[in-house]
Amino acid sequence: EDQVTQSPEALRLQEGESSSLNCSYTVSGLRGLFWYRQDPGKGPEFLFTLYSAGEEKEKERLKATLTKKESFLHITAPKPEDSATYLCAVRGSTLGRLYFGRGTQLTVWP
Amino acid sequence: DTEVTQTPKHLVMGMTNKKSLKCEQHMGHRAMYWYKQKAKKPPELMFVYSYEKLSINESVPSRFSPECPNSSLLNLHLHALQPEDSALYLCASSLMTSGSYYEQYFGPGTRLTVT
Repeated sequence: EDQVTQSPEALRLQEGESSSLNCSYTVSGLRGLFWYRQDPGKGPEFLFTLYSAGEEKEKERLKATLTKKESFLHITAPKPEDSATYLCAVRGSTLGRLYFGRGTQLTVWP
Repeated sequence: DTEVTQTPKHLVMGMTNKKSLKCEQHMGHRAMYWYKQKAKKPPELMFVYSYEKLSINESVPSRFSPECPNSSLLNLHLHALQPEDSALYLCASSLMTSGSYYEQYFGPGTRLTVT
């Protein structure tokens, strides 16, 4: 069965304190791993797509990496505006279907 | 432009009402999705349309009826809902080519409250 597990569930960082979020997955025939950011009461905002082990993507203070079993979202020198829930999702062999993790709620305090 | 729009933003309806949620995108995406999201939970897939045809129905109760009138529009018709159906309803769309689906872009959602 396809599964996605994110850790930690919640993370509090001081502004400027770098850290990483983890997404481990079990999926038959990975056809993409996706990271989203979601603010309270709003729709998820697309961040990155990773397709193969070793791939890396960067955007401002965020960097996503992928191995055969997990992905990391590295946050460098975070700011309070980075506070949000970060969702990881994978696409397997069932076309059109994404499997979401439960998310990591990130709080960055000044 | 990666915008998906949804109307209304908020909806309060009684259990005997009939209402509709609307979603629109102009990115040329041929796959469109409806999700339901409860507080502190990930989005839960309800329906997938591929080239205006229903391709996935995640065993959603018949009180939810999707419709895809054309490649840019997606509706969700609601009838005789229950209070437990109160949630954030999200629409998404993605590029789709030769059976491959790409990243999904989500709308802002409709906050539905059933009284």
